[in-house]
Amino acid sequence: EAGVVQSPRYKIIEKKQPVAFWCNPISGHNTLYWYRQNLGQGPELLIRYENEEAVDDSQLPKDRFSAERLKGVDSTLKIQPAELGDSAVYLCASSPHVDLEMETQYFGPGTRLLVL
Amino acid sequence: RKEVEQDPGPFNVPEGATVAFNCTYSNSASQSFFWYRQDCRKEPKLLMSVYSSGNEDGRFTAQLNRASQYISLLIRDSKLSDSATYLCAVTRRGNQGGKLIFGQGTELSVKP
Repeated sequence: EAGVVQSPRYKIIEKKQPVAFWCNPISGHNTLYWYRQNLGQGPELLIRYENEEAVDDSQLPKDRFSAERLKGVDSTLKIQPAELGDSAVYLCASSPHVDLEMETQYFGPGTRLLVL
Repeated sequence: RKEVEQDPGPFNVPEGATVAFNCTYSNSASQSFFWYRQDCRKEPKLLMSVYSSGNEDGRFTAQLNRASQYISLLIRDSKLSDSATYLCAVTRRGNQGGKLIFGQGTELSVKP
């Protein structure tokens, strides 16, 4: 079974430029998560989707970050404009949504963003 | 203060040693508990869920103390391949269920 797919794996941009990350979850997984992981820290949730609905975006910096999951399958996370402090690894995860609190979240390999 | 805190690392141990990681959480609404393993420049992968009665998987034992809001992971007979960062994570009840809240991770380095 294919895992969570993310692209690109690496991205280097200059500050104030836009950037977009793509995620394709495991087939059949209804719940999709975007996390951000800063160096030396654990991942922090940015947004959670149930199918195409964003059900928890309380930690998404909405002035510059946006996300969509239009058909309830793959998802895009965008930053516009990027700032130096956005340099981090952006991780996508998915889960089947059977028992949300207990079930395993499967992480993709992440996109490593460097903003210069 | 972070909601989930772990022992600062790194832990440097010889092969065969027993090593214990500790994790505390501050929100009593925390519902489920996990240990994840993250290799260098890789994604986190679930190592173990942590159950109230404690659970064991081979050389790994996880314990939960709800009264003290404390989770632990014990690794016995450590191997070189155990070298990684170990992240504890909790989820909450209710409409934030499913959101993993991670500690900062503890790095383990097992030396020959």
